[in-house]
Amino acid sequence: ELKVEQNPLFLSMQEGKNYTIYCNYSTTSDRLYWYRQDPGKSLESLFVLLSNGAVKQEGRLMASLDTKARLSTLHITAAVHDLSATYFCAVDRNNDMRFGAGTRLTVKP
Amino acid sequence: DTGVSQNPRHKITKRGQNVTFRCDPISEHNRLYWYRQTLGQGPEFLTYFQNEAQLEKSRLLSDRFSAERPKGSFSTLEIQRTEQGDSAMYLCASSPLSRLAKNIQYFGAGTRLSVL
Repeated sequence: ELKVEQNPLFLSMQEGKNYTIYCNYSTTSDRLYWYRQDPGKSLESLFVLLSNGAVKQEGRLMASLDTKARLSTLHITAAVHDLSATYFCAVDRNNDMRFGAGTRLTVKP
Repeated sequence: DTGVSQNPRHKITKRGQNVTFRCDPISEHNRLYWYRQTLGQGPEFLTYFQNEAQLEKSRLLSDRFSAERPKGSFSTLEIQRTEQGDSAMYLCASSPLSRLAKNIQYFGAGTRLSVL
């Protein structure tokens, strides 16, 4: 069974600091996604990673994929308050999409 | 607004009642998905359609749940004889059937169901 685990589940960090969110999954997959969700809002697609070694960057966020380790990371550089949200990774195998439990990020001044 | 639209946004019902939710996907998106999300958890896959065909159903989808997409456009999710455990946010997503699209799913704002 495809399982997706994220850690940490809660992350409080100061503005300007760097941190990494980890996403492990249990079986081979076709695609790995990162989504952002603000409170009371829907999920917004951030990145899709297709192959081993893939790296995508957008602003202060950078996502990478290691398919051999079945691990994806979301790295936050010089955090700002606007990045406060819940971040989900999701793994797609044969159109069966499984989400992690999410990492609730709070960036404090 | 060309995003995924869900109605109603909120639904409060009494235990045992039936409820129906509607999802209007992004125009020309072939695939449509339903998820359930409870507080502090990620979305759980329920079912998905490719055009009007329902191709996959999760074991989470009990016999009380039924989904339709009769003309391959909008979809409805019905829950019969609701139980308190059905209280959750029900999310709909759509994606285009395209190799280039990487199967990115675009989510609606969800319907929050509260069963009293």
